[in-house]
Amino acid sequence: GQNIDQPTEMTATEGAIVQINCTYQTSGFNGLFWYQQHAGEAPTFLSYNVLDGLEEKGRFSSFLSRSKGYSYLLLKELQMKDSASYLCAVTLGGANNLFFGTGTRLTVIP
Amino acid sequence: GAVVSQHPSRVICKSGTSVKIECRSLDFQATTMFWYRQFPKQSLMLMATSNEGSKATYEQGVEKDKFLINHASLTLSTLTVTSAHPEDSSFYICSARGREGPSVEETQYFGPGTRLLVL
Repeated sequence: GQNIDQPTEMTATEGAIVQINCTYQTSGFNGLFWYQQHAGEAPTFLSYNVLDGLEEKGRFSSFLSRSKGYSYLLLKELQMKDSASYLCAVTLGGANNLFFGTGTRLTVIP
Repeated sequence: GAVVSQHPSRVICKSGTSVKIECRSLDFQATTMFWYRQFPKQSLMLMATSNEGSKATYEQGVEKDKFLINHASLTLSTLTVTSAHPEDSSFYICSARGREGPSVEETQYFGPGTRLLVL
């Protein structure tokens, strides 16, 4: 089976920086996605990493280390609207099916 | 960006009845559609993958006779929950993938989800 682990819950303060980690042990690996999901809504795409390193996109950055099976999503200048679940998902070699991690529920407090 | 719709957005039904959920790609042809289930406070679990005109591929542990998937056209896939029971109550989300687009972010577009409550 595929194991994709994230912390279940995190809390951070408005204006701060938070890092959400994701570790994976999968049979094959193509790339890693990060999605944001507000309660009762569909996931929305945030980032995609296929090579090692940091991808920066505005307030959000995502990092990948293929050798360590590790990724993180970095959120800067947190806003209240960033309170949501953050899902990491991997695609495996030869297929584009997404396998989702357990998801991290982030709560931003004033 | 591409748009995927789901209907209904919310459904309540009695135990033992069947419920059909539609997933449509509105402005692109979806060669592959995916069905996910999400229980409260949990992540998305892939149920099945369907390609237009062929039988769906179900993930381990998902009963294909209970969750009927039809992908009759390049813009429509349906999921029918047969003889629904309270434990089938969940958030069902579909996603669709078209032919290879210009960017990798177009791997899958998600529908808004259908919340099913079985009484």
